Amino acid sequence: QSVLTQPPSVSAAPGQKVTISCSGRSSNIGNNYVSWFQQLPGTAPRLLIYENNKRPSGIPDRFSGSKSGTSAALGITGLQTGDEADYYCATWDNTLSGKVFGGGTKLTVL
Amino acid sequence: EVQLVESGGGLVKPGGSLRLSCAASGFTFTTYSMNWVRQAPGKGLEWVSSITSNNYIYNADSVKGRFTISRDNAKNSLYLQMDSLRAEDTAVYYCARESWNERGVDYWGQGTLVTVSS
Repeated sequence: QSVLTQPPSVSAAPGQKVTISCSGRSSNIGNNYVSWFQQLPGTAPRLLIYENNKRPSGIPDRFSGSKSGTSAALGITGLQTGDEADYYCATWDNTLSGKVFGGGTKLTVL
Repeated sequence: EVQLVESGGGLVKPGGSLRLSCAASGFTFTTYSMNWVRQAPGKGLEWVSSITSNNYIYNADSVKGRFTISRDNAKNSLYLQMDSLRAEDTAVYYCARESWNERGVDYWGQGTLVTVSS
């Protein structure tokens, strides 16, 4: 059971928008920055969103992040088949004194 | 260009030991905190251990007393000494750099597979 809760899977058609949620508590999301990672099949994770809502260079603006209270969300617009991947949220947990990850969400672009 | 290259994975028997290495390049290694994150087959990401630029260490409960993270700044290298290995330690182990302001991981290596089996 992961400390951060994500839906196991989401799906949408090409061109549509999807939102992936990440739920935590005050000891983690509520008081720390959230990152989002994309893991394409058979590859290492890569950073998509940092500090809740910032995109590294090279990440298209189709990807966005938000945070409110003890929850965070990743939004992806203009879905493409190449977006099919597993997505993970992550942050620091002050009680555990360690990093915590969500269980991951598998995105299917129908 | 930031590069993180892990090595040292392999097959080891339960109770055995293994030492993973991560060679870093493309940035000033001494000034960054570093992490190990693992992923069991078909499962999600699990944080293992972190070491700050001044050698302060954090460990996941699942590996406390068994795994030891260390770094050699002169060699731009990160290590993970894994002792008393268990079947549940089987995973791909990723070396990951912490961002300059310590607000999350920003770069990942390609990973090295550790299999614990008799």
